[in-house]
Amino acid sequence: QVQLQESGPGLVKPSETLSLTCTVSGGSISTYYWNWIRQPPGKGLEWIGYIYNSGSTNYSPSLKSRVTISLDTSKNQFSLKLSSVTAADTAIYYCARVVLGKGMDYWGQGTLVTVSS
Amino acid sequence: QPVLTQPPSASASLGASVTLTCTLSSGYSSYKVDWYQQRPGKGPRFVMRVGTGGIVGSKGDGIPDRFSVLGSGLSRNLTIKNIQEEDESDYHCGADDGSGSNFAMIFGGGTKLTVL
Repeated sequence: QVQLQESGPGLVKPSETLSLTCTVSGGSISTYYWNWIRQPPGKGLEWIGYIYNSGSTNYSPSLKSRVTISLDTSKNQFSLKLSSVTAADTAIYYCARVVLGKGMDYWGQGTLVTVSS
Repeated sequence: QPVLTQPPSASASLGASVTLTCTLSSGYSSYKVDWYQQRPGKGPRFVMRVGTGGIVGSKGDGIPDRFSVLGSGLSRNLTIKNIQEEDESDYHCGADDGSGSNFAMIFGGGTKLTVL
């Protein structure tokens, strides 16, 4: 059974960089598309971007200038960095696996990140 | 890219049936949509994918037979029969933008299902 677990600081100051890691267990990270999605409190889901095992990435156009997703196959982890954060970036951040043509079949439980001074 | 429209809320009595709707924007009638269930305080979980021919592939892990989908025109609907208390959740529909391996994902606004 594949499991994903997000980790990282729960509080980030405005203008700083949000950094999160997703650890994948029960399967290799060397295939599939590995995604970050966020959900502001009480709102819907917003896709942030993905990384593929080749290192290729694609990001949401609305966040592209501030987002970097990277992969560490030796640790079976992938990471998110979101720069210049504001209160609007306060959200629960989820990591998820995409099988091309089959949707997001495994998700992490999410981690709340609050942007506040 | 498509826009996915969901009503913000729905309700149904225990043991009844409910159909949750997800509507694609005009011009995207060939697109498949994924349904996700999000129980209170939990992360989403994959329910199933739906196209115009119905379910595409397999249901997600642990999804009961009470859950089914139907696709027609621009509609990609999820029906839950014999509703149980555990079905009270937010339900999200999502789709990729059709760009193949360079995809972007889009989500509807989600529907909050209340079990009465």
